[in-house]
Amino acid sequence: EVQLVESGGGLVQPGGSLRLSCAASGFTFTDYGMNWVRQAPGKGLEWISYIRYDSTTISYADSVKGRFTISRDNAENSLYLLMNSLRAEDTAVYYCARGKFTLDVWGQGTTVTVSS
Amino acid sequence: QSALTQPASVSGSPGQSITISCTGSSSDVGGYNYVSWYQQHPGKAPKFMIYDVSKRPSGVSNRFSGSKSGNTASLTISGLQAEDEADYYCRSYTSSNTYVFGTGTKVTVL
Repeated sequence: EVQLVESGGGLVQPGGSLRLSCAASGFTFTDYGMNWVRQAPGKGLEWISYIRYDSTTISYADSVKGRFTISRDNAENSLYLLMNSLRAEDTAVYYCARGKFTLDVWGQGTTVTVSS
Repeated sequence: QSALTQPASVSGSPGQSITISCTGSSSDVGGYNYVSWYQQHPGKAPKFMIYDVSKRPSGVSNRFSGSKSGNTASLTISGLQAEDEADYYCRSYTSSNTYVFGTGTKVTVL
């Protein structure tokens, strides 16, 4: 079964850091680019970052550029998102999703809450 | 990187057809055939319904169809059913080598 499972969410204070993980299974991880997408409470989807299968291309939304870092470990079939300088507006469910122009497989999401 | 513009809500009776628009610019929707559509039920992860403007993946009902004209893409749901009640989002590749979602549309089946 093709599956993505996120972990690492939780409560963090403003200015703090958090590292999210996404474990992939059921498909050849090295064949696909990967993304992080978030959804603030009661709000819409926001694409935040993409990484090519070989990590040679990485892109970010302006809202997280300079604060968040996407990476992957193909040997571990894992995707990561390092989030620094967190703000209240980063509070959201964070999804990892497979693909480039189309996001065809999604995880169930992990919740990040930024609050003092 | 402004979100693509979608109507906040669209409604229809069972059996009817509805269309959701997704308006961007020549730097995203109008410039590339990389528009996709996602359905999201409350508390669930999104599910992709249409890719490359008008292609439908296996397993998605043929009641769902996509199209594009200029800077506006559209998702049409024909033969509306109760299970279609959900939020729908478009997504496009952009000239900045990034991606952008639409603002989202809540579909209500009357």
